[in-house]
Amino acid sequence: AQSVTQLDSQVPVFEEAPVELRCNYSSSVSVYLFWYVQYPNQGLQLLLKYLSGSTLVKGINGFEAEFNKSQTSFHLRKPSVHISDTAEYFCAVSDRLNTGKLIFGQGTTLQVKP
Amino acid sequence: DTGVSQDPRHKITKRGQNVTFRCDPISEHNRLYWYRQTLGQGPEFLTYFQNEAQLEKSRLLSDRFSAERPKGSFSTLEIQRTEQGDSAMYLCASINPGQNYEQYFGPGTRLTVT
Repeated sequence: AQSVTQLDSQVPVFEEAPVELRCNYSSSVSVYLFWYVQYPNQGLQLLLKYLSGSTLVKGINGFEAEFNKSQTSFHLRKPSVHISDTAEYFCAVSDRLNTGKLIFGQGTTLQVKP
Repeated sequence: DTGVSQDPRHKITKRGQNVTFRCDPISEHNRLYWYRQTLGQGPEFLTYFQNEAQLEKSRLLSDRFSAERPKGSFSTLEIQRTEQGDSAMYLCASINPGQNYEQYFGPGTRLTVT
């Protein structure tokens, strides 16, 4: 079984500042890793994913994440945030055993202040 | 490619009534997933289909819940004898496993049970 822990429920940050949203996972098997963003009253949009290869993954809207196998982490970063980045961010894992189902963390609310 | 669509977007019902939601996946996607998201939480896996076959059901899917995908295209999720605890956002997602397990989410159906 897999589990995901997002270490911060809320992250307030000023516009143009850097941000890191933390994610740790637990799994007895190899996993794929994802970050999704959810704007109010909308579905989820994929920001980036790690499947294999380079541990630094770049996604949309200037976000990137680094897979650290030894620390079982997949933290999301952005060097300079915008007001429009205010949203809920979810880290998720799926097993590589062909089901494809996602196990999500509880989410981190990123609030960008002017 | 019009994306994943869900209908209705919002549903208000009285406790004890039955409700049915519909999901139309991206046309070439043969896998379809249902998730439930309660306020302030990450989505939780409910069930998934490969074509018309329902391959896995979460223990969250009580006997009052049933899902179908009769022709391997659209899917329905029915909740019988709704309870206030069923109030949540119900999300549908679809994938083409050949596309690296990236799940495409619909906008969700928000259910309120009064």
